[in-house]
Amino acid sequence: GIQVEQSPPDLILQEGANSTLRCNFSDSVNNLQWFHQNPWGQLINLFYIPSGTKQNGRLSATTVATERYSLLYISSSQTTDSGVYFCAVAKSGAGSYQLTFGKGTKLSVIP
Amino acid sequence: KAGVTQTPRYLIKTRGQQVTLSCSPISGHRSVSWYQQTPGQGLQFLFEYFSETQRNKGNFPGRFSGRQFSNSRSEMNVSTLELGDSALYLCASSWRLVIDEQFFGPGTRLTVL
Repeated sequence: GIQVEQSPPDLILQEGANSTLRCNFSDSVNNLQWFHQNPWGQLINLFYIPSGTKQNGRLSATTVATERYSLLYISSSQTTDSGVYFCAVAKSGAGSYQLTFGKGTKLSVIP
Repeated sequence: KAGVTQTPRYLIKTRGQQVTLSCSPISGHRSVSWYQQTPGQGLQFLFEYFSETQRNKGNFPGRFSGRQFSNSRSEMNVSTLELGDSALYLCASSWRLVIDEQFFGPGTRLTVL
């Protein structure tokens, strides 16, 4: 199956700083999503981005499908950005009905 | 549009018991997937249903089962609970395929004593 690696595993930032989270994957994919897991455990959709670049407020994401990686940018971080960020991928094809998740990046934003 | 809902949100059971968790997908979504999240193993795929048919199953013992109803609502059942089944169980829905955007519910936190 597809392997997904996220880096860094942990990140501590001062409020207002910028950060870049990386997701590498081992095969071509047709779905790539970034999620933020809130303190109660729910996975909040950030981006659906199998290729290209998207922006949503202070967050943006870029997926370079040909090179098998995606980046999540957080600018002017706030304490509410704290939590775990997951990258998940899926590939179309027979028997392919699951998302494969990375281990996540735990972000702590301190005031 | 209402999001994915899961009930109950929290559950405490003892070893040997069985449990049933429920998931209602976003209206119009026909695919429902289940995932188990534990600190040690991360997020692992349990199974996926579409139009009342299980299309794929992850690497979990037969104690874990599920079903989907004609209205796309899904249930998962765990029989003969073990301590290691303590986890957050997350349900996701999408329109049809895994390559469609997936939306997750708030999860059910199961504690097995």
